[in-house]
Amino acid sequence: IAGITQAPTSQILAAGRRMTLRCTQDMRHNAMYWYRQDLGLGLRLIHYSNTAGTTGKGEVPDGYSVSRANTDDFPLTLASAVPSQTSVYFCASSGTTNTGELFFGEGSRLTVL
Amino acid sequence: GQNIDQPTEMTATEGAIVQINCTYQTSGFNGLFWYQQHAGEAPTFLSYNVLDGLEEKGRFSSFLSRSKGYSYLLLKELQMKDSASYLCAVIDSNYQLIWGAGTKLIIKP
Repeated sequence: IAGITQAPTSQILAAGRRMTLRCTQDMRHNAMYWYRQDLGLGLRLIHYSNTAGTTGKGEVPDGYSVSRANTDDFPLTLASAVPSQTSVYFCASSGTTNTGELFFGEGSRLTVL
Repeated sequence: GQNIDQPTEMTATEGAIVQINCTYQTSGFNGLFWYQQHAGEAPTFLSYNVLDGLEEKGRFSSFLSRSKGYSYLLLKELQMKDSASYLCAVIDSNYQLIWGAGTKLIIKP
């Protein structure tokens, strides 16, 4: 593993199903983030974690939850997927909170039917 | 509200120079980033400006004017591989990162 790894890279999901997007980093970064990217819109922050054991809500947190049990892993869960959650999801990490350069995973393309 | 404005799309010719503008209205300012994103890929860091002036890094330069709420990314000697989206992002007074929608740059031979 080098950098940030996301899984799955692509998924088609029926509405109402539960889905967890996985994110693992090996850079020992304290801060981690989940963004969604939709055509014509900027990256929108869903949830973030400044350090292991803490999480916070971003701009569009509804319908999503996260956990940060350790430094490396930051999974994003959709409890009951809806079509409006169709998007590309990016996990990112930073060595310093808020002001540092972000390193992004390759993204997870999710389609909810 | 907070807002980042960038042109949606620009076209330039291989070998030429292009300037991508970004204007912002945010609650405070603690720095501005430019990222490059090729289609279907993740964004990658290009530059960071926190003080006024020009930062040069090879073929790419980034300029900031905090008083005008304005930045630009200058790309010289354009190559076909520079075809990508360029994302402007500002850190506000709460240290939240606010993203623009990105500028899609198309390079023609």
